[in-house]
Amino acid sequence: ELKVEQNPLFLSMQEGKNYTIYCNYSTTSDRLYWYRQDPGKSLESLFVLLSNGAVKQEGRLMASLDTKARLSTLHITAAVHDLSATYFCAVDTEGGNEKLTFGTGTRLTIIP
Amino acid sequence: DAGVIQSPRHEVTEMGQEVTLRCKPISGHNSLFWYRQTMMRGLELLIYFNNNVPIDDSGMPEDRFSAKMPNASFSTLKIQPSEPRDSAVYFCASSLWNTDTQYFGPGTRLTVL
Repeated sequence: ELKVEQNPLFLSMQEGKNYTIYCNYSTTSDRLYWYRQDPGKSLESLFVLLSNGAVKQEGRLMASLDTKARLSTLHITAAVHDLSATYFCAVDTEGGNEKLTFGTGTRLTIIP
Repeated sequence: DAGVIQSPRHEVTEMGQEVTLRCKPISGHNSLFWYRQTMMRGLELLIYFNNNVPIDDSGMPEDRFSAKMPNASFSTLKIQPSEPRDSAVYFCASSLWNTDTQYFGPGTRLTVL
């Protein structure tokens, strides 16, 4: 059974600081997704990583994928309050955007 | 595009009642997914369809749950009879088959008393 683990589960950080969220998964996959969820809201797609070594950046967020280590990271640079949300990674093990298994989520709180 | 549309947004019902959740996927998308989100279990895939055909329903918790997709623009998730442990947020998502992103609807918050 595929397991997707994120750490940390909770993260409070000050504005302006840098931090990294980690996503480990237990089986072979070359597709990994990052989503954001604001409280009481739906999930918003952030990044899609499709191959080993893929790196994508949008604003203060940068995601990377190491398929050999079965690890993805979401790096936050110079955090701002608007980035407060829960971040999920999800892994597709059957190719073609079929069954996504989501991680536990990381609740990020940016403190002024 | 209006995005994925779900109704109702909130549903409160009593144990034993039938509940029907509805979803309209993004026009042109041919894959549709039903998820359930709870604090205890996180986000779980219940069932997904491709071209209106159920592909994998292994995530459906038990026989009380059923899903249909009679056409490309409409799907339902039914719970009969409902139980308090079914209380959760139910999300519908759609995508183009074999492409990169699933687009999520706003969700239906179900409370079973």
